Amino acid sequence: QSVLTQPPSVSAAPGQKVTISCSGSSSNIGNNYVSWYQQVPGTAPKLLIYDNNKRPSGIPDRFSASKSGTSATLGISGLQTGDEADYYCGTWETSLSALYVFGTGTKVTVL
Amino acid sequence: QVQLQQWGAGLLKPSETLSLTCAVYGGSVSGDYWSWIRQSPGKGLEWIGEINHSGSTNYNPSLKSRVTISVDTSKNQFYLKVNSVTAADTAVFYCARVLRGIIPYYYYMDIWGKGTTVTVSS
Repeated sequence: QSVLTQPPSVSAAPGQKVTISCSGSSSNIGNNYVSWYQQVPGTAPKLLIYDNNKRPSGIPDRFSASKSGTSATLGISGLQTGDEADYYCGTWETSLSALYVFGTGTKVTVL
Repeated sequence: QVQLQQWGAGLLKPSETLSLTCAVYGGSVSGDYWSWIRQSPGKGLEWIGEINHSGSTNYNPSLKSRVTISVDTSKNQFYLKVNSVTAADTAVFYCARVLRGIIPYYYYMDIWGKGTTVTVSS
């Protein structure tokens, strides 16, 4: 069971915006940077955001992210059918055991 | 650019050992951290553990007793072994490059292998 909680699903029409929340605690998001990954069904995850809000080369600026306290948010604007995928947040966990943790994952559906 | 190619046995019987290899192309296994992640059918991502070029490892506590990650710098490869597998270990396994701080306040996987499907069945 993940320590990072995401909504199971979000949806919107093409061109609209969706936001995905990632809720954690002081032992993970509260004290470490957050990354986000996109996983199109049947393919490997792809890094979308790192260090809370930075985009790797090639990721369009339609994808944005922020962090506040123990929560993080991913935003996808100008939604396209190609954005249909599962999205995961991730960060380092420093509670009793140190490990990397992923969020529960959010399915984005373009209506 | 760096690419990861992974392979290993795809069908195992319960109690056998899972063995996967991840080869690094276009770069060196030295100087970075490397990780394994798995995804059970219909489930989310689970971090298994990591290794650096000198062999220093960190493991997910939930798997630590059965997992070994190793590296061979001469072959530019790193490896995953999971002992005593059960049906619960059926998953797609991914290798990935990790970019992280010495103290991992920043940590992310920027390059991923395509994944290897491992099925455990009698």
